[in-house]
Amino acid sequence: DTAVSQTPKYLVTQMGNDKSIKCEQNLGHDTMYWYKQDSKKFLKIMFSYNNKELIINETVPNRFSPKSPDKAHLNLHINSLELGDSAVYFCASSHQRGPWGYGYTFGSGTRLTVV
Amino acid sequence: KQEVTQIPAALSVPEGENLVLNCSFTDSAIYNLQWFRQDPGKGLTSLLLIQSSQREQTSGRLNASLDKSSGRSTLYIAASQPGDSATYLCAVRIGAGTALIFGKGTTLSVSS
Repeated sequence: DTAVSQTPKYLVTQMGNDKSIKCEQNLGHDTMYWYKQDSKKFLKIMFSYNNKELIINETVPNRFSPKSPDKAHLNLHINSLELGDSAVYFCASSHQRGPWGYGYTFGSGTRLTVV
Repeated sequence: KQEVTQIPAALSVPEGENLVLNCSFTDSAIYNLQWFRQDPGKGLTSLLLIQSSQREQTSGRLNASLDKSSGRSTLYIAASQPGDSATYLCAVRIGAGTALIFGKGTTLSVSS
């Protein structure tokens, strides 16, 4: 009954490879996000997507691209991986509609190591 | 540009103490504020969500307050326990369709 699930939990890959991280939410939320947590544990937004609009943080390299096959999924594709991409990536979801702002629910994270 | 600051960066207390974690934000026009807990190597667990019109929220031994005009929130933990040891993150949302902006967290260690 996991609310937001990410796979894989750990990913070790070589520089230059292309990889994907999958995310699924079963909460019926209308918006999903990807966050990056760097080595100093700082969380920074990468993307948000609500089935109509994709908002991209301008600092995110275009090697990163989110793909949403349906409302419950937002996968993260990374091309030509670099050493600096090593981090923990978190998927999250929330509602945007309604009179009140809803809280976020986060996945357990994917630790990406590029060697 | 909204920025979120958390003080202190680290805190060590003996078991049983009451403690306060601080969060400040530069722009008082927020939509809501959320406190999270992160255990080492784990994801984020939501603790409390405060809407912009609210002053505080309580859950068990946790109480979060919000003072929008001064750009501050506090997380009060009563009767701390070793199991409370974790990193506590404060995050604000500036609009209904916007992403969370996080502080860098306070790492709490409670010794028995």
